[in-house]
Amino acid sequence: GAVVSQHPSRVICKSGTSVKIECRSLDFQATTMFWYRQFPKQSLMLMATSNEGSKATYEQGVEKDKFLINHASLTLSTLTVTSAHPEDSSFYICSARPPPGLAGFPPGVDTQYFGPGTRLTVL
Amino acid sequence: GIQVEQSPPDLILQEGANSTLRCNFSDSVNNLQWFHQNPWGQLINLFYIPSGTKQNGRLSATTVATERYSLLYISSSQTTDSGVYFCAVGRGWNTDKLIFGTGTRLQVFP
Repeated sequence: GAVVSQHPSRVICKSGTSVKIECRSLDFQATTMFWYRQFPKQSLMLMATSNEGSKATYEQGVEKDKFLINHASLTLSTLTVTSAHPEDSSFYICSARPPPGLAGFPPGVDTQYFGPGTRLTVL
Repeated sequence: GIQVEQSPPDLILQEGANSTLRCNFSDSVNNLQWFHQNPWGQLINLFYIPSGTKQNGRLSATTVATERYSLLYISSSQTTDSGVYFCAVGRGWNTDKLIFGTGTRLQVFP
């Protein structure tokens, strides 16, 4: 259990275009999903927290109009990088958190399960 | 905000060696986890360990919450252990985010 997928795994686009990345929790419903960004040889930086049916909460310094997040269902969140520029090139990772007490998950454990990441290159 | 520092930043081992990775955090937390990011970028959950000691095969972890540090032990390292090890901390339950540490990059050679 606890499988999270991301699509696409790799995308190359031209400057000025928009790119959508999908994050799906395949075998559990996630009330909360998170989006991270990771530059080469650096740590993960949280971009936003996404709750199903409500607006995402963005971290300080993250432009919400540039990084659009939609969490339309309990198993799907999307991140759209609008008008991408070369400085947006990065590794984007999503995670999903199962609600507490969900059957099949260890009780008393608050953790997130991560997708395999999407490598975005903007030319 | 909470600062999370890991040491050493880089570690090179020969297969079979043991190692200890450390995670220091600057404030009290009630959520601490260890992850392994493999060379392809996938993060793998290792331990949820806000306090105490846990073991899973060749890996074990200890968190001393009162002294604000956690240790990850890797015994009899294998080449498949290579990658980056992150600790991540949080201060809430089910509502709060994880703050990732600076990471330890481990390379294990045959």
